[in-house]
Amino acid sequence: QTVVTQEPSLTVSPGGTVTLTCASSTGPVTSGYYPNWFQQRPGQAPRALIYSTSNKHSWTPARFSGSLLGDKAALTLSGVQPEDEAEYYCLLYYGGAQNWVFGGGTKLTVL
Amino acid sequence: EVQLMESGGGLVQPGGSLRLSCAASGFTFGSYRMNWVRQAPGQGLEWVANIKQDGGEKYYVDSVKGRFTISRDNAKNSLFLQMNSLRAEDTAVYYCASTLNGELDYWGQGTLVTVSS
Repeated sequence: QTVVTQEPSLTVSPGGTVTLTCASSTGPVTSGYYPNWFQQRPGQAPRALIYSTSNKHSWTPARFSGSLLGDKAALTLSGVQPEDEAEYYCLLYYGGAQNWVFGGGTKLTVL
Repeated sequence: EVQLMESGGGLVQPGGSLRLSCAASGFTFGSYRMNWVRQAPGQGLEWVANIKQDGGEKYYVDSVKGRFTISRDNAKNSLFLQMNSLRAEDTAVYYCASTLNGELDYWGQGTLVTVSS
């Protein structure tokens, strides 16, 4: 059973910088896992932010960036805004029958 | 503007069946893979299934294999999820999501499925 692990919760001050990570139980996360990142605010559908490690959608604010950091995928928020308070999920591709697996999510608090 | 709208959710007894639909607009539906993702109450996201553009390849999460079937009608710009032998643990909001530029880039608002006696 493949497990994708994220920090359960993080807190950041407005204007600060925070990095969320995404690890795989199968080993180092590489670009071949096509890491994706999603934001979900309470009561709303998820919104895609980053695809294929570091590519932004047209609606993704510039303060969000994706990368590989060591053995993990990472989402960095620079100049955090109050509206960034949300749950963030990563998604990794395993191919074959497993296909896509979400991480458990990181609850980001802006305080 | 890309729009996805799910329907068909509701209350069903354990062992029952339900068919979800997703109406798509604003893009050439038949040119893109489509997905179903679910979220149990208070829980995280779970990818459920996806289907290739022509419907020829379909993939499922292990927990629904043999019970759920994903399908599509490109002429009607519609995605479906036939859910049989439903269990309490299938209770969730079910989202359809497209793969246009990146995986799961556009999402519907979801439809709630409740499996309970």
